[in-house]
Amino acid sequence: NAGVTQTPKFQVLKTGQSMTLQCAQDMNHEYMSWYRQDPGMGLRLIHYSVGAGITDQGEVPNGYNVSRSTTEDFPLRLLSAAPSQTSVYFCASSYDGFNQPQHFGDGTRLSIL
Amino acid sequence: AQKITQTQPGMFVQEKEAVTLDCTYDTSDPSYGLFWYKQPSSGEMIFLIYQGSYDQQNATEGRYSLNFQKARKSANLVISASQLGDSAMYFCAMPRESGGSNYKLTFGKGTLLTVNP
Repeated sequence: NAGVTQTPKFQVLKTGQSMTLQCAQDMNHEYMSWYRQDPGMGLRLIHYSVGAGITDQGEVPNGYNVSRSTTEDFPLRLLSAAPSQTSVYFCASSYDGFNQPQHFGDGTRLSIL
Repeated sequence: AQKITQTQPGMFVQEKEAVTLDCTYDTSDPSYGLFWYKQPSSGEMIFLIYQGSYDQQNATEGRYSLNFQKARKSANLVISASQLGDSAMYFCAMPRESGGSNYKLTFGKGTLLTVNP
């Protein structure tokens, strides 16, 4: 059972570089979301999607882009990485919204130098 | 605006004893739910338990139960018979409405539980 798969698990970038964090789920879930986790801050919602072709902003969307071309995939793009984006990123999915338990990926630890 | 507060940055408990992790919330939604997640040191997020605001009874899942006090806006997690494997970070989370039918999810800052042998 794959569940929610995030790649890569670790990444180091230089300031100004771009990169895409990948997220894929095989549970046919409509809802997918991205969070960042910083020390002492809990998880904060970056962007989410309620289905293919539909995305919306969360609490901390600046500096990040998303798209949802298929039900399975929800990539997160950093267009110009900044040190403030150093964090652990989690992708999550659920069948029918945030009022259901979220299935989380294992996270991506991202460092921006 | 909705808010989740976990006032205990860290808690210690002896193995086999019970422990309560606090969570208070603030919402204007008439119907809402509350989740608890566990994050071990390995980093993954694990769903533990859910309480709906209109549920007649407090939620229970094995050794986990919720002490839900709606009037006080609290949903404390009770772990009975603590085990060493319960040592982890615990997060309380609440979906919140953001226009129409789209909900978002707000997390508290977490409580780090350490179970001592």
